[in-house]
Amino acid sequence: DAGVTQSPTHLIKTRGQHVTLRCSPISGHKSVSWYQQVLGQGPQFIFQYYEKEERGRGNFPDRFSARQFPNYSSELNVNALLLGDSALYLCASSWGQGEGQPQHFGDGTRLSIL
Amino acid sequence: KQEVTQIPAALSVPEGENLVLNCSFTDSAIYNLQWFRQDPGKGLTSLLLIQSSQREQTSGRLNASLDKSSGRSTLYIAASQPGDSATYLCAVSTGGGNKLTFGTGTQLKVEL
Repeated sequence: DAGVTQSPTHLIKTRGQHVTLRCSPISGHKSVSWYQQVLGQGPQFIFQYYEKEERGRGNFPDRFSARQFPNYSSELNVNALLLGDSALYLCASSWGQGEGQPQHFGDGTRLSIL
Repeated sequence: KQEVTQIPAALSVPEGENLVLNCSFTDSAIYNLQWFRQDPGKGLTSLLLIQSSQREQTSGRLNASLDKSSGRSTLYIAASQPGDSATYLCAVSTGGGNKLTFGTGTQLKVEL
């Protein structure tokens, strides 16, 4: 079975642009979470989606938004990109939305802002 | 607000040595604690998950312990190998959905 898949693997954008990152969860998993990992730091929680609804949100500005589709895949959108948005964006999936569910991570999308 | 700290930030050991990585967290109201491995430029690979009701978990040469009341966890790696070189992250699951709060990691290098 395929693991969590993310696309694209790498992306270069300039300040002010918009970006969309995509994630496909493990088959049968209904919850998707997004994390931002800046170089040298641990991942920071951005969003969790379950059954197409937002179930948790981290301390990120409104420039960050996400959605989940009926097939449980997800998109993370970031508007008005800043240099500080350069990071590895990780997607994780789990079977349900309950607390303490094991999460499985993809390889991430490396976003570079020039 | 939950905060997770990992000590040391970096560690270099000779092959074959046994080693311990430390993780501490400020709020003991956790559902579980996970240890992850991250290779450079890659995603996270889950190594061990300890539920809040458990004291330890073992997988091969890895053993993780959890003392929830004191807010501490350790990851013990036996007979280290060069292939163990990576960054090791601990994360705790707290309320608000399935949110994980991560430490900043320990960068491990095992030398021949």
